[in-house]
Amino acid sequence: EAGVTQSPRYAVLQEGQAVSFWCDPISGHDTLYWYQQPRDQGPQLLVYFRDEAVIDNSQLPSDRFSAVRPKGTNSTLKIQSAKQGDTATYLCASSSSQTNTEVFFGKGTRLTVV
Amino acid sequence: AQSVTQPDARVTVSEGASLQLRCKYSYFGTPYLFWYVQYPRQGLQLLLKYYPGDPVVQGVNGFEAEFSKSNSSFHLRKASVHWSDWAVYFCAVSMEGNNRIFFGDGTQLVVKP
Repeated sequence: EAGVTQSPRYAVLQEGQAVSFWCDPISGHDTLYWYQQPRDQGPQLLVYFRDEAVIDNSQLPSDRFSAVRPKGTNSTLKIQSAKQGDTATYLCASSSSQTNTEVFFGKGTRLTVV
Repeated sequence: AQSVTQPDARVTVSEGASLQLRCKYSYFGTPYLFWYVQYPRQGLQLLLKYYPGDPVVQGVNGFEAEFSKSNSSFHLRKASVHWSDWAVYFCAVSMEGNNRIFFGDGTQLVVKP
């Protein structure tokens, strides 16, 4: 069974540039999460979806960050006008609300903003 | 509000020695507790999970953890550490029926030969 797939694995931007991260969850998982993990810290939830609906985006900096999951499968997280403080690893994860399985994580996208 | 504290940012043990990584949680209600491991350039992998029941849970690779409601703790243990256990370990908490997980800041385990 394929795991959670993320791309790209790495990104380096200058401040002010935009970037998009893509996530393909495990097939059949209806719940998808985006976490931000700054260096030497634990992951912090940004947003999560059940199917195509946003369940909680209260921690997503809405002025520059956006996330979509239009068909309830793949998802894209976008940062407009990146700042140095956005430097972190962005983790996507998925789970099934029907079976209450564990949450499975992708390998992440490591973003550096210079 | 729910939170997890891992008081040790870094723990160094000799290969073959026993290990305990500490975790304290703050939660209203009955928590679900987890330990994840993160190897370099890898995603988070679940080591073990606690759902209400037996307070001692067994995980992969000889790891176990013990839930203590009175101490609000969920410490991770291993009897004999191997060099391949060198990684960052995260304690985490969620609530029943909701897979939203709150993580601590992790403990870096260093294994000396």
